[in-house]
Amino acid sequence: KQEVTQIPAALSVPEGENLVLNCSFTDSAIYNLQWFRQDPGKGLTSLLLIQSSQREQTSGRLNASLDKSSGRSTLYIAASQPGDSATYLCAVPTPTGNQFYFGTGTSLTVIP
Amino acid sequence: EPEVTQTPSHQVTQMGQEVILRCVPISNHLYFYWYRQILGQKVEFLVSFYNNEISEKSEIFDDQFSVERPDGSNFTLKIRSTKLEDSAMYFCASSELPGSPLHFGNGTRLTVT
Repeated sequence: KQEVTQIPAALSVPEGENLVLNCSFTDSAIYNLQWFRQDPGKGLTSLLLIQSSQREQTSGRLNASLDKSSGRSTLYIAASQPGDSATYLCAVPTPTGNQFYFGTGTSLTVIP
Repeated sequence: EPEVTQTPSHQVTQMGQEVILRCVPISNHLYFYWYRQILGQKVEFLVSFYNNEISEKSEIFDDQFSVERPDGSNFTLKIRSTKLEDSAMYFCASSELPGSPLHFGNGTRLTVT
């Protein structure tokens, strides 16, 4: 069974800093990986979907990379802002795509 | 932008009671899902649904759970006899295709007393 791990569990940075969130998975036979953001008491918002054929995907200040062979993905956030404070989750699909395995998330706090 | 809507936002029920959680997926999406998140724990898959039938379910999704698409817009999750351990945030999600971006609703917080 796929295991998805995210390190660190919590991160606190001053505003303006660049930061990297890590996601690792045990089964490299994935065809994509998604990064989500979750605000307290809210649902999950899809940030980026990176296909297995891609190495990177960018959206604004966010950049996700994927290294299938090593079972890792990173989410890079440039010039962090207090509004970026949230929990960030990564998820990988099963081969059928019918379900996703989620990591435990990284709780990010950006201090003004 | 189209979104997934869930009602109610919060449901309190007594142990042993039946609850129905409701979801309206994005209109052109064909795949529907229920996930749950117990406080402080991972988001866990419950069930996926396509073409009016369950396509996959987890070991959590036992005989106490059922899903239905009663009409062209709603997608429901029923828990027949709630237990204390069913207390969690329940999320509905939809996607155009398997593995394509998942769109989540804001969730229903279920509290079983």
